Amino acid sequence: AQSVAQPEDQVNVAEGNPLTVKCTYSVSGNPYLFWYVQYPNRGLQFLLKYITGDNLVKGSYGFEAEFNKSQTSFHLKKPSALVSDSALYFCAVRDKKTSYDKVIFGPGTSLSVIP
Amino acid sequence: DTGVSQDPRHKITKRGQNVTFRCDPISEHNRLYWYRQTLGQGPEFLTYFQNEAQLEKSRLLSDRFSAERPKGSFSTLEIQRTEQGDSAMYLCASSLEALGLQETQYFGPGTRLLVL
Repeated sequence: AQSVAQPEDQVNVAEGNPLTVKCTYSVSGNPYLFWYVQYPNRGLQFLLKYITGDNLVKGSYGFEAEFNKSQTSFHLKKPSALVSDSALYFCAVRDKKTSYDKVIFGPGTSLSVIP
Repeated sequence: DTGVSQDPRHKITKRGQNVTFRCDPISEHNRLYWYRQTLGQGPEFLTYFQNEAQLEKSRLLSDRFSAERPKGSFSTLEIQRTEQGDSAMYLCASSLEALGLQETQYFGPGTRLLVL
């Protein structure tokens, strides 16, 4: 069965510092991996995805994520955090082998960027 | 705005009442998904459609829940005899699946349901 773990419920970082939001996954085959961001009382906004190819994926708003197959991780990073980055971040995975298009989401990590 | 839209954005109902939510996907997208999200959790898959065909339903989708996408465009999610445990944010997403390539799911703003 596929699953996603986000080991940190909360991440606090000072404005201007680099940020990392961690994600590990488990699938039976090769994964599709996604990051979404959710602002209060809003739906999820797509940030970036890994399908194949380069392990470093660049996405919206200056975010990037690195796929590490040996560690089954897909950590989200940004070199310099902004206060406006404060939100809930969800990692998601889909197993390429499954015959249906079901994305499994992690529990979310709340990011607070402190001015 | 050509994104995914959902109506209503908020719904308060009494236990035992029926409610219906609507989702309008991005116009060229052939897949439509429904998720449920409770406070502090990630979205949980409920069901999805490929055009008008409902291809999978989660075990979370009890007999009181029904979803339709009659013309392969907008979709409705109905909850009959609502229970307090149905209180959640209901999210709709759409994607374009072509030639076996799974594209990104884009989400609507959600409908927040409160059952009193």
